[in-house]
Amino acid sequence: AQSVTQLDSHVSVSEGTPVLLRCNYSSSYSPSLFWYVQHPNKGLQLLLKYTSAATLVKGINGFEAEFKKSETSFHLTKPSAHMSDAAEYFCVVSDLGGSYIPTFGRGTSLIVHP
Amino acid sequence: DSGVTQTPKHLITATGQRVTLRCSPRSGDLSVYWYQQSLDQGLQFLIQYYNGEERAKGNILERFSAQQFPDLHSELNLSSLELGDSALYFCASSPFSGDTIYFGEGSWLTVV
Repeated sequence: AQSVTQLDSHVSVSEGTPVLLRCNYSSSYSPSLFWYVQHPNKGLQLLLKYTSAATLVKGINGFEAEFKKSETSFHLTKPSAHMSDAAEYFCVVSDLGGSYIPTFGRGTSLIVHP
Repeated sequence: DSGVTQTPKHLITATGQRVTLRCSPRSGDLSVYWYQQSLDQGLQFLIQYYNGEERAKGNILERFSAQQFPDLHSELNLSSLELGDSALYFCASSPFSGDTIYFGEGSWLTVV
């Protein structure tokens, strides 16, 4: 069975400061891990994905995430927040040896203050 | 633009009615997923089809059904609608099961 927990429902930062969105996962198999972003009234856009290659994954818009197997974590970071980063972020796990159905976290709302 | 097309974008209907949501996957993608997003339940997986066959079922109500046609487009049928069915319904597609899924813009359903 697979599951994913996003540890914060809301994260508030000031523009120009670092962003950290936390995600822990549980997987019985080798997982694929993803981060998606959803802007208001829009669909979900893929930010980045991990599929057992490099543990540090770089995505679009300056975001990156690090896969830490020992901590079962896949936290999303960005060095400097922009106002346009304000959105809902979803961490997703998919068991490559299991059901293959992506399981979504509850989401983290990123608020960026000027 | 993800390449996944959903219609209609917005739909308002009355309780007890039936609606059909349509999805065209990305060119070449064989797998289609349906998700429901609501404020209280978050993003819930409903059902997956792969190359015309049902592959997996999630939290899909018996009042809901789906199918994938030979041209790979998919339809989600929602019947005997209730107020609680009001939500954003997403279709997503991937080349095969387990690969990255790409989402459409969603269909907003409001039941009044």
